[in-house]
Amino acid sequence: GESVGLHLPTLSVQEGDNSIINCAYSNSASDYFIWYKQESGKGPQFIIDIRSNMDKRQGQRVTVLLNKTVKHLSLQIAATQPGDSAVYFCAENSKEGTALIFGKGTTLSVSS
Amino acid sequence: DAGVIQSPRHEVTEMGQEVTLRCKPISGHDYLFWYRQTMMRGLELLIYFNNNVPIDDSGMPEDRFSAKMPNASFSTLKIQPSEPRDSAVYFCASSLSGVGYTFGSGTRLTVV
Repeated sequence: GESVGLHLPTLSVQEGDNSIINCAYSNSASDYFIWYKQESGKGPQFIIDIRSNMDKRQGQRVTVLLNKTVKHLSLQIAATQPGDSAVYFCAENSKEGTALIFGKGTTLSVSS
Repeated sequence: DAGVIQSPRHEVTEMGQEVTLRCKPISGHDYLFWYRQTMMRGLELLIYFNNNVPIDDSGMPEDRFSAKMPNASFSTLKIQPSEPRDSAVYFCASSLSGVGYTFGSGTRLTVV
């Protein structure tokens, strides 16, 4: 069935390092992907999105890479800061207007 | 814009009682989603609306759950009767044309 998952439930990095969070998806029909950040006690917050007609998109300190061949999505955070500590979710949908399906999440811990 | 507004932030109720969760989406958004988050199951889609019409309610756990969207600025999720296993954080999200989903801060429901 459809599923969106992450390779690692936790990731610990030092402040200033680059972080890479991975996500595998199984629905080859998915054409829209979003990364969310969720801090404790808050709702998921949009970070960056990408459509299936792209393989890379950059934002401020974040880059999303999409490899449709192996159905893999990654989020790269440059110069990770303590404020980046949170749970990160990837989400997908297969048709504009349908609901997002979320993966289980990766907890990023940044130590200074 | 104040974002997606959910109320209450916390709800503690006794088993068997009726619970109503409320959501005000971002003005102008045409999609509204209800999600439930637990440690075990992550973020699960319960139901979503497009232009106030329910599109997919296959995620609603059972008949005890119901959702309505009487107008473009208000939605409710009702659980009657509530059970301890309904304890979770319930999120509402809205989007414009199925992109850029914005989440509310959630309602933490505890059923004792």
